[in-house]
Amino acid sequence: KNEVEQSPQNLTAQEGEFITINCSYSVGISALHWLQQHPGGGIVSLFMLSSGKKKHGRLIATINIQEKHSSLHITASHPRDSAVYICAARRETSGSRLTFGEGTQLTVNP
Amino acid sequence: EAQVTQNPRYLITVTGKKLTVTCSQNMNHEYMSWYRQDPGLGLRQIYYSMNVEVTDKGDVPEGYKVSRKEKRNFPLILESPSPNQTSLYFCASNRGGPHTDTQYFGPGTRLTVL
Repeated sequence: KNEVEQSPQNLTAQEGEFITINCSYSVGISALHWLQQHPGGGIVSLFMLSSGKKKHGRLIATINIQEKHSSLHITASHPRDSAVYICAARRETSGSRLTFGEGTQLTVNP
Repeated sequence: EAQVTQNPRYLITVTGKKLTVTCSQNMNHEYMSWYRQDPGLGLRQIYYSMNVEVTDKGDVPEGYKVSRKEKRNFPLILESPSPNQTSLYFCASNRGGPHTDTQYFGPGTRLTVL
């Protein structure tokens, strides 16, 4: 079993829909990252969370430390949101080491 | 412009021919890392560095070397590349304080080892 698991692996939505991507982890963490990988391959850091909730534009990330679970929400989705979304856990005991989920491929159709 | 640069962006080489992928950041970040990305396996950390002359292994360090002689540069060295090192490689940096900081990624280097 992977230490960081994401669901779903693939997600197709219609423009305007509310989207949720989930990330569960089985180890103690000091922080959790959400990343976006564009179709061209470039990776952008969206959020880093250690507790609670963060919002940036139409993106919202939440984390529940007790349940070892994080979610990334996209409101009013748009075709330009189509990308791979990756969560990564910074483990408590390993300093700068990150463990990644396999990613969620999101496609938003017009 | 704040950025992480990698060179080359694409490389095709043959088994056993030593190569270096360079990584440079202009943000005065203390932490730098190398990752590889493979289909079905996702991103995996190869090596990371907390500061000049301080490096440590990630999850998949075998077959790779790194050095951190200057704060801005963190080259990845493949002494004797093999086909299983064919992958997409990313360098990343962050300011410091691993509990509070976001990572900045380079554009990626696509390596093919024949």
